[in-house]
Amino acid sequence: EAGVTQFPSHSVIEKGQTVTLRCDPISGHDNLYWYRRVMGKEIKFLLHFVKESKQDESGMPNNRFLAERTGGTYSTLKVQPAELEDSGVYFCASSLTGADTQYFGPGTRLTVL
Amino acid sequence: KQEVTQIPAALSVPEGENLVLNCSFTDSAIYNLQWFRQDPGKGLTSLLLIQSSQREQTSGRLNASLDKSSGRSTLYIAASQPGDSATYLCAVTATYKYIFGTGTRLKVLA
Repeated sequence: EAGVTQFPSHSVIEKGQTVTLRCDPISGHDNLYWYRRVMGKEIKFLLHFVKESKQDESGMPNNRFLAERTGGTYSTLKVQPAELEDSGVYFCASSLTGADTQYFGPGTRLTVL
Repeated sequence: KQEVTQIPAALSVPEGENLVLNCSFTDSAIYNLQWFRQDPGKGLTSLLLIQSSQREQTSGRLNASLDKSSGRSTLYIAASQPGDSATYLCAVTATYKYIFGTGTRLKVLA
């Protein structure tokens, strides 16, 4: 069974540009989460989907970040416009239910120049 | 607000040593605590999950303990090997959110 996959693995963009990250959860997992780790800090929660609905987006840093999960399958996280402080590693995770173990993807390393 | 601290931040040991990584958390109202391993450029690999009602979990050379009342967990690695070199993260959950520590960067020297 395939694990959580993320694309791209690495993205380098200039300040002010737009980037879209994609996450494909484990098949059948209704719960999808985004986390990120900025340099020197701990991994922090961004938001949680149950199917296509946002359950909790309390960790989203500001309105330059937009997450979607149309159809309740894969999810995208768009950053527009990107700022230098957005650089970091963005992780996606999925779980069967909200109480189950979350399985993490390999992450997307975003570098904003 | 839950805060998770890991000590030490970095550790370098010769191969074969037994070692202990520490994790502390400020709010004892947790569902479970999980230890992860992260290799450079890779994702998070779950090592051990301890539910709040449990005291410890073991997998091979790894043993994790949980003392919820004191807000502490330790990850014990026996007979360390160079392949154990990685960053070790602990995370606690009280809801669906994982609250992570900043990790311990371990290097095992051959």
